[in-house]
Amino acid sequence: DTAVSQTPKYLVTQMGNDKSIKCEQNLGHDTMYWYKQDSKKFLKIMFSYNNKELIINETVPNRFSPKSPDKAHLNLHINSLELGDSAVYFCASSRDTDTQYFGPGTRLTVL
Amino acid sequence: AQRVTQPEKLLSVFKGAPVELKCNYSYSGSPELFWYVQYSRQRLQLLLRHISRESIKGFTADLNKGETSFHLKKPFAQEEDSAMYYCALSGRSGNTGKLIFGQGTTLQVKP
Repeated sequence: DTAVSQTPKYLVTQMGNDKSIKCEQNLGHDTMYWYKQDSKKFLKIMFSYNNKELIINETVPNRFSPKSPDKAHLNLHINSLELGDSAVYFCASSRDTDTQYFGPGTRLTVL
Repeated sequence: AQRVTQPEKLLSVFKGAPVELKCNYSYSGSPELFWYVQYSRQRLQLLLRHISRESIKGFTADLNKGETSFHLKKPFAQEEDSAMYYCALSGRSGNTGKLIFGQGTTLQVKP
């Protein structure tokens, strides 16, 4: 299947833990993004990478660290998880700044 | 400031009725506008973009620069149109590909 995939789909964890979400795209795109969808369904960009280089870093706490080992992958590592981090995290990719294709989302619940 | 506003959180119509999902934007340069749709338990997917000027699934949207609007319209709603709809903006000058989303409108089409 040609798509943007994310793992895991669901993630339930305790406050203070460190967790990672992985994203992979096999569309041959060179730009990847992370978006956060909060409990009110509001979607906001967090990060963007182009050819493994950080392009966008919105005002996101330092506890969030994206890592792009290659153009097809953009992982999100979160340290010291807080209750407010509970959300659905969407990965997306595009060819340069063209149409973005989204992954299925990862629902993170912090207890 | 760049902003996208979707004034209606929920729009409920009967099957066969016309639909208009409102979207207003604020952007100082030349924006590119999109509509994304999220069906239940599915990923976000592009519905249409203003530069394509095409009709997808019977939906159309016209960019009105005077009113800074990009309303989504369909003359006859179908039950399968029930979903969450997001209006989004991407700036063209110095474009980083960053999408700014509206708050989203849930469209509910009743039989």
